[in-house]
Parts: sequence; C-alpha cells; structure tokens
Amino acid sequence: QSALTQPASVSGSPGQSIAISCTGTSSDLGSYDLVSWYQHHPGNAPKLLISEATKRPSGVSSRFSGSKFGNTATLNIYGLQAEDEAAYYCCAYAGDNTFVFGSGTKVTVL
Amino acid sequence: QITLEESGPSLVKPARTLTLTCTFSGFSLYTSGVGVGWIRQPPGEALEWLALILWDDDKRYSPSLKNRLTVTKDTSKNQVVLIMTNMDPADTATYYCAHRFGYGGFDSWGQGTRVTVSS
Repeated sequence: QSALTQPASVSGSPGQSIAISCTGTSSDLGSYDLVSWYQHHPGNAPKLLISEATKRPSGVSSRFSGSKFGNTATLNIYGLQAEDEAAYYCCAYAGDNTFVFGSGTKVTVL
Repeated sequence: QITLEESGPSLVKPARTLTLTCTFSGFSLYTSGVGVGWIRQPPGEALEWLALILWDDDKRYSPSLKNRLTVTKDTSKNQVVLIMTNMDPADTATYYCAHRFGYGGFDSWGQGTRVTVSS
C-alpha cells in the first residue's frame, strides 16, 4: 500500500485557478470513488474539503472542487486567495476499510 | 458539534509501547456507520493513515504497521485507544484522531498530540 502520488508543490497568483492531481492504482483510486481531500495549515488540524471525490461538505467554499477519472483524482482551487496557502492531501479508500494518503502538495500563493 | 482530543505521553523511549487516548463528544460509537480513525504526521512529512475502529467494533490497520497496532474503544466513555508497540525514533510524529461517518471522509479532527521517540 504505497502513498498516492501528488505534485510536491503548486503555485499561483491571487485570483488564478490551480489543480492538484492525486494518482493511485487500480487497487485504490481505480476501484473506488471514495477519495477525500484535506487542507492542512501548519499547527492546525487538517480540514476536510471534498469527500467521495466530488462532494463538498457544508461550510466549505465553492472555490474548491473535486473530480476523479480512472486512477487519478483532482482538486481544483478557483480564485486563489492568500488563505489558501497550505498543504493539501488526498486520501483514498483502498478496500477492506483501509485508507492511503497522498504524498502532499504545498500550495504557494505568489 | 463534534470535538476530539488526543492525549498521551509526549516522550517515549525506543522499544517501549505507546498508548494514546482519543476522547470525543458530539457523536456516539453506538451509532451505525460511525468510525474513529488514527492518522499521524512525522515532522516535515505527509499524513499517514494508521487505523480505524467502527461502531460495530470492526478494526482495520495499515498493512505496514498492523503487527504493531491495536485499537480499542470504550463506547460508554466516548474514548478510543491506540496502542503502538516497539516504538522507534521513526515513529516520532504528531498523532491525530478523526471522526468518519459512512463513506465520507474524516470530517472532524483533533488538534493532534506530538510524540517524540528518544532515549
């Protein structure tokens, strides 16, 4: 069960849109649509942004959007804001009630 | 409102056993579909899923750590306990517990507890 692959860093200017990919295998992302995304500011608890690949929990900004195709899930952040500067992690269901997190992506707002 | 709080030792010697407690409120492990997971983050590294315990006492572990992990629950006390044996300096990390319901993600997290493994 290896970590899902994410780009180490993504950057963008305020107002721009960015995309963060999360690539897995046929055993996790390829088999289930149960992928979630988390925002993690240093020193804080991670925050759920997206669940079940595309569902945004109540209270999460509509600037965050999730999608999935095959073995790859994607988190889009629209209208980038300074407060979006954080680490982002995907997490996939790997069957049998086990999970695997991604390698993490550091988002920098230029 | 769901809250979770991790507690346990901040310093553990190598080869010893770590016991962490997650005390929660705002939900019950009597409720069908509810689970509590454990996740850790070593300094400068990514999040790593460790274990999950469900309302029906089903328990799941990371394949790479399952020989060292045990998770239990005390439903009446609203607590979940994680035990990790044979601690190593590589286990130095912030350990989080988190709530999950059904097929959703981990929607509420504790603030985490920092554990250092050192002699």
